[in-house]
Amino acid sequence: RKEVEQDPGPFNVPEGATVAFNCTYSNSASQSFFWYRQDCRKEPKLLMSVYSSGNEDGRFTAQLNRASQYISLLIRDSKLSDSATYLCVVNMFNTGRRALTFGSGTRLQVQP
Amino acid sequence: EAQVTQNPRYLITVTGKKLTVTCSQNMNHEYMSWYRQDPGLGLRQIYYSMNVEVTDKGDVPEGYKVSRKEKRNFPLILESPSPNQTSLYFCASSLTQGAVGAFFGQGTRLTVV
Repeated sequence: RKEVEQDPGPFNVPEGATVAFNCTYSNSASQSFFWYRQDCRKEPKLLMSVYSSGNEDGRFTAQLNRASQYISLLIRDSKLSDSATYLCVVNMFNTGRRALTFGSGTRLQVQP
Repeated sequence: EAQVTQNPRYLITVTGKKLTVTCSQNMNHEYMSWYRQDPGLGLRQIYYSMNVEVTDKGDVPEGYKVSRKEKRNFPLILESPSPNQTSLYFCASSLTQGAVGAFFGQGTRLTVV
């Protein structure tokens, strides 16, 4: 079982739609959580951190459910420019060290 | 401008020919790491460094070496590249291990034939 699992997609949605991604993680001792965005063949860039209380940044809302060990990302009013791969990232202890563990990513394609 | 710079961006090489991918950051970050990204596998950590002269293995260190002689530089060395090291490589730096806001370099696409 992967330590961080995501549905690879692609999620094909029309402009203006609301779309949500989930990500599950296996290590209950995980410390912190992030969503990164990666455009095709480019470097990942931090989109937002994820807090237990939930947090919002414009059209983006992230939530964490520690009991069920999943995090989510909600994008409202999708734009064409939101088309990218969204990486779920968990900071966890792994083989005696703390490290960022990446999911394989969920691909979003927003269509006109 | 805060940045992580990798070179080269693209490289095609032959099996067994030693190569080095350079990484430099201008943010005075202590923590740097190397990842490789392969389809369906996500980013996997190769090596990391907590500070100058402090390096350690990540999840997939076999076939790679690193050094950290200066805070800003963290080169990745492939002593004898093999085709299974064909991948997209990213260098990253952050203030501390696992800190929010890790900065990534633009990536190096390596092909070993």
